[in-house]
Amino acid sequence: AQRVTQPEKLLSVFKGAPVELKCNYSYSGSPELFWYVQYSRQRLQLLLRHISRESIKGFTADLNKGETSFHLKKPFAQEEDSAMYYCALSGYGGATNKLIFGTGTLLAVQP
Amino acid sequence: DAGVTQSPTHLIKTRGQHVTLRCSPISGHKSVSWYQQVLGQGPQFIFQYYEKEERGRGNFPDRFSARQFPNYSSELNVNALLLGDSALYLCASSYSTGSLMSDEQYFGPGTRLTVT
Repeated sequence: AQRVTQPEKLLSVFKGAPVELKCNYSYSGSPELFWYVQYSRQRLQLLLRHISRESIKGFTADLNKGETSFHLKKPFAQEEDSAMYYCALSGYGGATNKLIFGTGTLLAVQP
Repeated sequence: DAGVTQSPTHLIKTRGQHVTLRCSPISGHKSVSWYQQVLGQGPQFIFQYYEKEERGRGNFPDRFSARQFPNYSSELNVNALLLGDSALYLCASSYSTGSLMSDEQYFGPGTRLTVT
């Protein structure tokens, strides 16, 4: 079954602390993994995707196929990072790029 | 470009009624996808259309249908509304349906549907 699991509904950290948002997936094939972010009163937007290997706003994520994980990390959290984060996957090379989302993790960065 | 636009913003319907939601993609994008987001959950895929043809369908009943017009805008229709259909309905557009960097999906602000 195709599934994305985000075990934490809420992650609260202090400003300057490291952040790790967990994401595990189940997919029979070659998936493409994404992190989407939704800031307060804004629309859902792409943060990063594993094939680009970019660091966006200080966030990085490495695809670990052995552990089927795609955890999102940032060494020093900022208050403006507070938002809802969704991990998602898409099948690579198929007829559709539909996204399968996890349930999301709310990141709250305390001052 | 204003990005992906959706109308209406909010909608209240009664059980058994029918609803039509509309989406205009980013200029130049040929693919539109629809997602349902129930409170506390991540978005769930409903449909994808590309060049006016259905390319994917999620696990939703036949009460849900959609279409794409020649200008690439799209409508999502839901018949015989149930209380459980109350959700935020998101539309996303992309240039194509593949895995190219250019195929990033851009989301609209959503339509909040409440069924009473």
